[in-house]
Order: sequence, then C-alpha cells, then structure tokens
Amino acid sequence: RKEVEQDPGPFNVPEGATVAFNCTYSNSASQSFFWYRQDCRKEPKLLMSVYSSGNEDGRFTAQLNRASQYISLLIRDSKLSDSATYLCVVNIPSSASKIIFGSGTRLSIRP
Amino acid sequence: DADVTQTPRNRITKTGKRIMLECSQTKGHDRMYWYRQDPGLGLRLIYYSFDVKDINKGEISDGYSVSRQAQAKFSLSLESAIPNQTALYFCATSDSQEDAGRPTDTQYFGPGTRLTVL
Repeated sequence: RKEVEQDPGPFNVPEGATVAFNCTYSNSASQSFFWYRQDCRKEPKLLMSVYSSGNEDGRFTAQLNRASQYISLLIRDSKLSDSATYLCVVNIPSSASKIIFGSGTRLSIRP
Repeated sequence: DADVTQTPRNRITKTGKRIMLECSQTKGHDRMYWYRQDPGLGLRLIYYSFDVKDINKGEISDGYSVSRQAQAKFSLSLESAIPNQTALYFCATSDSQEDAGRPTDTQYFGPGTRLTVL
C-alpha cells in the first residue's frame, strides 16, 4: 500500500461547480499535511497547509480527519484557472523520507 | 529573480555518461532536496540535506550522488546515466519552521530539469 494515496482522476467538471478530492495516508505518525498545485510541466507550489480544525482560503477548504487518516480539498465556484494537478503531501518526521507526495489528482475545468 | 534555480533546464544525454544537475537558492533555507517525477508515480525523494555537513538518502538514491557545496548550492550527479533515469528532476528548499509544535517543511521548488537518457 502506498503511504499517500490519491484518486488520479481526471476530474472533468464545468466552471462554477464544486469539486472535492480526498487523500489517504497510512502512517499514523504523520504530523503535517499540505495540498500543492502543479500546472503542466511546472514545479509544484504550495496551495495550503491543512490544520486539524480545518481551514479555508477563499474558495478552497481543507479538512483533516486523523481518526480515518485522510485529508480533503474542496474547491467551490471552480474557475478555468483551477485546472491543474493537486498533490497531497504528508510530513512524517519519524520516516527517513520525511516528506511523502501523493501522485496527484488531475482536475480539468471546462467552460 | 527566481528564489530556487536549476541548471540545465533540459538535457539529452547518452547511456553511460556522467551528468550533473545544479541547484542554487537565495531563500537562505538550510534544507535542500532532490526529487524526480515520473508520470503516475508522483515525486520521489532522491537525497536531502539539512545543512552543509548533512547528507541523507531518500527513497530512491541508488544510481545518484549529491554534493552540498554551500548552504545555497546542492548538486545531483548521475555517475553513469541509464535510460530509466529519464525523468523530470526538481530541487526544493525548506526552512525548519514549526507550526504549533509540528514541523512544516513547506517545500519551495525550482523550475525543474527535464533529463532524457538515450
């Protein structure tokens, strides 16, 4: 089982729709959680950190469920510019690899 | 100017050649990382360094070596390149921050080097 798993998609949704991604992680020692965004052929960039209480940044909401070991990302009122791959990232301080990236979920917003 | 730069941006080489990928940063971060990205596999950690005298193997270090010449520079070498090392390579940096007592290690990536080994 992969340490961090994501549905690869692609998710193809109309502009203005709400879309949600989940990501599961296997190591209960995981301490920090993030969502990164990666555009085609570009470097990943931090979208938002994920806190236990859940956090919101404009149209984006991230949630953490430690009991079930998953994190989620909700995008409301999606824009064409939201089309990208979204990477789930987990920091495991006790692991030699430290930071584990999911393989990403591809999102395509259509007009 | 970009905070994390990588050279070269693209490289095509032949099997058996020695290749060096360079990474420089102006962010003043202590921590630097090398990843490779393959379609469907996401980013995988090759090596990481928490300061100039600290080098650690990541998930897939076989066939690679690194050198941390200074706080701002971290280079990745392929001593004898092989075709399955064809990939997109990213350098990243992070600061050893903590958020409510938990390490964050937010990663800041360079633009990537596309390497093709024929």
